[in-house]
Amino acid sequence: KAGVTQTPRYLIKTRGQQVTLSCSPISGHRSVSWYQQTPGQGLQFLFEYFSETQRNKGNFPGRFSGRQFSNSRSEMNVSTLELGDSALYLCASSWTGSNEKLFFGSGTQLSVL
Amino acid sequence: QKEVEQDPGPLSVPEGAIVSLNCTYSDRGSQSFFWYRQYSGKSPELIMSIYSNGDKEDGRFTAQLNKASQYVSLLIRDSQPSDSATYLCAASGGSYIPTFGRGTSLIVHP
Repeated sequence: KAGVTQTPRYLIKTRGQQVTLSCSPISGHRSVSWYQQTPGQGLQFLFEYFSETQRNKGNFPGRFSGRQFSNSRSEMNVSTLELGDSALYLCASSWTGSNEKLFFGSGTQLSVL
Repeated sequence: QKEVEQDPGPLSVPEGAIVSLNCTYSDRGSQSFFWYRQYSGKSPELIMSIYSNGDKEDGRFTAQLNKASQYVSLLIRDSQPSDSATYLCAASGGSYIPTFGRGTSLIVHP
């Protein structure tokens, strides 16, 4: 069974640009959540999607957005990139997203110059 | 606000030692608890989950839960250099996805 797939693995962008990250969950999983991980802040929750609906949202500015498609694949978009957006972005999937263990993808390492 | 607290470490132990990693959580409504291991440069992977008070053993790992004290721990017996990683504690309840602690860095030296 294929795991959670995230693309791209690495990204280098400059300030002011925008970026789109992609996540394909494990087959059958309907919940996809996104996290930002930095050395100082640990895993910070961005948002969670279930059946194409954003169900939970963390405390991030509106520059961070996402969506989920009917096949449960999800994308995350960051507009007007700032230096502080440099981080590892992790996607995780689960069957329902409630009280369940999460399966993480390998992440996308974003560097903003 | 739901919080999960962990001592960041690093915790440095010799090979073969028994290691106890601790975690406290603020939300009394939390029902499910997880321990993830994250190697440097890699993504977190689940190593233990626990849902009821008491102990749960899996090989060299034992998770302990005390809901009255809002306390979760992970015991690693006969620690190995390959156990060197950051250990993330997570708690979830109701319709919420897990809240993660910042992790405890463990170093097991030969």
